[in-house]
Amino acid sequence: GENVEQHPSTLSVQEGDSAVIKCTYSDSASNYFPWYKQELGKRPQLIIDIRSNVGEKKDQRIAVTLNKTAKHFSLHITETQPEDSAVYFCAASGPGGGNKLTFGTGTQLKVEL
Amino acid sequence: DVKVTQSSRYLVKRTGEKVFLECVQDMDHENMFWYRQDPGLGLRLIYFSYDVKMKEKGDIPEGYSVSREKKERFSLILESASTNQTSMYLCASSSGLEKLFFGSGTQLSVL
Repeated sequence: GENVEQHPSTLSVQEGDSAVIKCTYSDSASNYFPWYKQELGKRPQLIIDIRSNVGEKKDQRIAVTLNKTAKHFSLHITETQPEDSAVYFCAASGPGGGNKLTFGTGTQLKVEL
Repeated sequence: DVKVTQSSRYLVKRTGEKVFLECVQDMDHENMFWYRQDPGLGLRLIYFSYDVKMKEKGDIPEGYSVSREKKERFSLILESASTNQTSMYLCASSSGLEKLFFGSGTQLSVL
């Protein structure tokens, strides 16, 4: 089955700096790569996703890039703000796994004032 | 907005008890999932279902079973609870290969 690795496990940045979280996947047939944000005590929520026919996608301060050859994808957050502090999960799914997602182990992002 | 409701926010059970975790969604989604969340391990898929009376094993199905008698309801069953099943359990639903909508979770403690 699919295996997703996520790094780093914790990330601390100063407000206004950029943050980058990286994930690798194992199943070359995977074709859907979402990112979920989980604030403390709340449920995970989708913040951005990308499909395998696209190399990059941007939504305001967040962007995701995908390198299918290397089987890795990354989340980029620019101009970080305190409300960006949360746990971020990457995930992968595709023909090999049907509609089910395999998640990474999560990154605790802390944005310091 | 989609609502995924889990019956209990906190649950305390004893070793060996049979435990039912209930999940209901109100958006007529075909797909429903049960994940468990543990620190440092992320979200791990236990079971999922694409249709009524249909179920498939996820990555960690041992010690669990599920039931989907109606499209909107997906139940997770711990036949004989053990201390290593103490965890946060998250239910989710989706339509096709799209956004997952999560419930607020059930924190289960097995003593």
